[in-house]
Amino acid sequence: QVQLVQSGAEVKNPGASVKISCKGSGYTFTSNSLHWVRQAPGQRLEWMGWINPVSGDTKYSQKLQGRVSITRETSTSTAYMELSSLTFEDAAVYYCARRVRGNYHFDFWGQGTLVTVSS
Amino acid sequence: QSALTQPASASGSPGQSITISCTGTSSDVGAYNFVSWYQQHPGKAPKLMIYDVSNRPSGVSNRFSGSKSGNTASLTISGLQAEDEADYYCSSYTSSITWVFGGGTKLTVL
Repeated sequence: QVQLVQSGAEVKNPGASVKISCKGSGYTFTSNSLHWVRQAPGQRLEWMGWINPVSGDTKYSQKLQGRVSITRETSTSTAYMELSSLTFEDAAVYYCARRVRGNYHFDFWGQGTLVTVSS
Repeated sequence: QSALTQPASASGSPGQSITISCTGTSSDVGAYNFVSWYQQHPGKAPKLMIYDVSNRPSGVSNRFSGSKSGNTASLTISGLQAEDEADYYCSSYTSSITWVFGGGTKLTVL
């Protein structure tokens, strides 16, 4: 069965960077893109960006452009999201989600990774 | 990219039907039939309920249906059940080759 398993919770200081992993299994990793979505406490879902696992091409939200980087390691079917220059507003649950090539929706989601920003 | 507009809350009694709207622009909802809806229970990851405006994934109850007119998409839940109480988010592909979510609607089953 399709699974996306994310790395564990993180606590970071303001100004630091965080890198979260998302390991896919149960499907062909390179046949589907991976997106990252975050949700601040009590807030809406916010789309962050996505990566084409084959080419490594990425696209980011305008809001986060310059601070976010999404990469992948095809040998381990793992995608990574790194967010730099953290502020208190970046405290959120971060999700990875799969999008099948040719589709425009997210059919499977990771369990979420809580990032706390605290001084 | 501004968030799609959803009502903050909705409610209904068991057995009733409710409709949640999702309003975007001619660059997202109005431009493509790529609107999807997600259900999120507290502390859980979102779950896909509707894709491409009106299609249901395998395993999703046929009590859930979707539609679109112009720049506004809608999710209808018929025969409300207690387990439908959750947050619902719409999402759309955009002309910028990005995605945008709605502000979310908290559904209460009375």
